[in-house]
Amino acid sequence: SQTIHQWPATLVQPVGSPLSLECTVEGTSNPNLYWYRQAAGRGLQLLFYSVGIGQISSEVPQNLSASRPQDRQFILSSKKLLLSDSGFYLCAWSTRTGYNSPLHFGNGTRLTVT
Amino acid sequence: GNSVTQMEGPVTLSEEAFLTINCTYTATGYPSLFWYVQYPGEGLQLLLKATKADDKGSNKGFEATYRKETTSFHLEKGSVQVSDSAVYFCALSDRDQGAQKLVFGQGTRLTINP
Repeated sequence: SQTIHQWPATLVQPVGSPLSLECTVEGTSNPNLYWYRQAAGRGLQLLFYSVGIGQISSEVPQNLSASRPQDRQFILSSKKLLLSDSGFYLCAWSTRTGYNSPLHFGNGTRLTVT
Repeated sequence: GNSVTQMEGPVTLSEEAFLTINCTYTATGYPSLFWYVQYPGEGLQLLLKATKADDKGSNKGFEATYRKETTSFHLEKGSVQVSDSAVYFCALSDRDQGAQKLVFGQGTRLTINP
């Protein structure tokens, strides 16, 4: 069966520090990968998605970047965190085929920038 | 662009009450529609989906019918339990370059009291 892992589960970082959140998927090949952010009291916002190694699409201009160095690894990064980067970050995957295939989410990383 | 609007929360009900969470959407084309549930401290889980007009998705006693004429996908359950307490998200699919991009509503927090 397929599983998705995100780490760390919680993170407290000072403003201006770097960030690296990692997500890995097991039990499937060539997945589409996604990073979403859930800000306090708000819905989910798609940040990045990837349909293959090295292919990254950004949905909103921001202080963050994403990379996909391996087929089942997706990394969210920042060189210098801002207070507004605080939130709950969710990684997800879906199959390549099937317009109606659901997204499968990890348990998320709660980031607090102080 | 595509969008999803959910009823404002939070919603508080007593156990065994009838539940309705309203969801309406704006979309070009014929998207698939989803309900996801988020339990405290966890990622999102797919609750149910519908892929075309008049389809009914169902799972764990929850139901939602894809109504194209009213652009709605309301979530219902006949008798809620304390364990149904969670945040519920309505979403539609928006495919781009092979990626299954989901557009989410803002979420509705549901609390069930014993």
